[in-house]
Amino acid sequence: DQQVKQNSPSLSVQEGRISILNCDYTNSMFDYFLWYKKYPAEGPTFLISISSIKDKNEDGRFTVFLNKSAKHLSLHIVPSQPGDSAVYFCAASEAGTASKLTFGTGTRLQVTL
Amino acid sequence: KAGVTQTPRYLIKTRGQQVTLSCSPISGHRSVSWYQQTPGQGLQFLFEYFSETQRNKGNFPGRFSGRQFSNSRSEMNVSTLELGDSALYLCASSLGTIDRVPNYGYTFGSGTRLTVV
Repeated sequence: DQQVKQNSPSLSVQEGRISILNCDYTNSMFDYFLWYKKYPAEGPTFLISISSIKDKNEDGRFTVFLNKSAKHLSLHIVPSQPGDSAVYFCAASEAGTASKLTFGTGTRLQVTL
Repeated sequence: KAGVTQTPRYLIKTRGQQVTLSCSPISGHRSVSWYQQTPGQGLQFLFEYFSETQRNKGNFPGRFSGRQFSNSRSEMNVSTLELGDSALYLCASSLGTIDRVPNYGYTFGSGTRLTVV
């Protein structure tokens, strides 16, 4: 039972354009969402998060949007850079069990020149 | 500030053996969580330790166990290894507030790659 789904295993974007990574969830108890980036042979690196009381959070080139009614969140990267090429995971947690993150299966982003 | 340190980085074991993995959290962090990453499964939560006590547990069999020491270092043990236990095992540390995710997320180590043959 995959409670957090990233339906696109891969995405290719040209440098300078916008990258949009999508994530859907089924558990209505999730109240906090995170995005992580992962390079091979390294642990995930935290990028940005959003609480369920917000619908948008921005940090530099990264913006996360949350649509609670659709149980959907997305990560926008603008502009995309070659160094952004990595696997991106979305994750979610429930109130009261903040340390237990449920991850999606990841989307591999390739930023081409 | 040192990050999360996991040892060893790579490990090869035989079916039926047991294995112990180690995780040293960031100094001052009292919570250590463990995750298993396998191809196609993403990262799956194993358990979390806080102040030497298991505080959260995922849906893994009892062959997977852990502990935490007074200095917050944590070990994870897998007994009677199976081929399907081959995975990247990651630990993450945080200060340990249970009711909310810290605004810095959780800091992961680089993981231990376990191969069971």
